[in-house]
Amino acid sequence: QKEVEQNSGPLSVPEGAIASLNCTYSDRVSQSFFWYRQYSGKSPELIMSIYSNGDKEDGRFTAQLNKASQYVSLLIRDSQPSDSATYLCAVNRASSASKIIFGSGTRLSIRP
Amino acid sequence: EAGVTQFPSHSVIEKGQTVTLRCDPISGHDNLYWYRRVMGKEIKFLLHFVKESKQDESGMPNNRFLAERTGGTYSTLKVQPAELEDSGVYFCASSQADSGNTIYFGEGSWLTVV
Repeated sequence: QKEVEQNSGPLSVPEGAIASLNCTYSDRVSQSFFWYRQYSGKSPELIMSIYSNGDKEDGRFTAQLNKASQYVSLLIRDSQPSDSATYLCAVNRASSASKIIFGSGTRLSIRP
Repeated sequence: EAGVTQFPSHSVIEKGQTVTLRCDPISGHDNLYWYRRVMGKEIKFLLHFVKESKQDESGMPNNRFLAERTGGTYSTLKVQPAELEDSGVYFCASSQADSGNTIYFGEGSWLTVV
């Protein structure tokens, strides 16, 4: 079993709709959770971090964490063509700086 | 402020040759990480420096890979001798000592071994 699992997609969403990206992780002691966006040929860019159960909103992005279910998700409201990218879920076991484990990413395509 | 910079951006070498990748972290960042993504796979952790010390090198695939960070500033990752399966993108990332785990990635060094 992979430590961080994501559906590879592609996930196709019409412009203006809500895109929902999901991620599960295997290590129950994980404490920090991240969503990175990666455009083709570019480096991963952090868009959201979440550390406690519940929702965290930042602009059009909402991260949701459920530690009991070992599940973290990212919602993108009012999807734009510029949101088309690969979204990487990442998990860190510790609260201090240490290695982050990445999922394989979900490719999101926003169709006009 | 300059971000994480990596050199070279692209490299094509023959099997058996040596390649050295360089990473300059964001100034003042004590934590430096190397990650690798091979075709179709997830980004995998290679190792983590705190200043000049190797904090965690559990992801290094084998002894053909050598990472250094002399003086706690820039880091190099040497692959010697390179094999075909080493092809991929090598990302460097850095973070401050108490950054709440926000790490910043470089653009990556694309390595192709032929």
